[in-house]
Amino acid sequence: ETGVTQTPRHLVMGMTNKKSLKCEQHLGHNAMYWYKQSAKKPLELMFVYNFKEQTENNSVPSRFSPECPNSSHLFLHLHTLQPEDSALYLCASSLEASGRAVGIQYFGAGTRLSVL
Amino acid sequence: QKEVEQNSGPLSVPEGAIASLNCTYSDRGSQSFFWYRQYSGKSPELIMSIYSNGDKEDGRFTAQLNKASQYVSLLIRDSQPSDSATYLCAVNRGGGNKLTFGTGTQLKVEL
Repeated sequence: ETGVTQTPRHLVMGMTNKKSLKCEQHLGHNAMYWYKQSAKKPLELMFVYNFKEQTENNSVPSRFSPECPNSSHLFLHLHTLQPEDSALYLCASSLEASGRAVGIQYFGAGTRLSVL
Repeated sequence: QKEVEQNSGPLSVPEGAIASLNCTYSDRGSQSFFWYRQYSGKSPELIMSIYSNGDKEDGRFTAQLNKASQYVSLLIRDSQPSDSATYLCAVNRGGGNKLTFGTGTQLKVEL
């Protein structure tokens, strides 16, 4: 148990559905991340939130919409997805401080998403 | 050139041997380097972090960093079957807290 909890663990959705992925961290961290992991591809950073503010959108299509209401919670809202969006979606968190080395990112167990 | 490059493997080593995993990166401004282990169907878990040139040891694991050559490696001594997994190299980009991951090297430790 890393202290980062993701729900649901598995999700199957049609292309017209709207669903949300949830991530919660209990580590007192101040940065949260969404990654996508597809077969045979490296982990792809999607979004970064530092102190609840989005600081990175890695050219992610608008059908993925992140939300970070506070430092402990992160959501990824999904709508009108495509079959190629099927992947493992991982949430991570870290503790960042200016003037210090990059914090270690701790990952949740992930949500396995299948788009039919 | 890929930002973070790893040999995808599989790398097969006998039980008890030393496994050597390598990673090269392209951004000279990178300051933080991480090795994660990922078992099939699981999420990545941190094995080692390294920030300065040289070696860093933790139990059976040693990370080696050479910033001049833009090279970071992970040595696993006395390899065990439980070490069989994919090892991901991650490097921070642009001095910030964004990480770029390699595709990972699959390690198989054989009995």
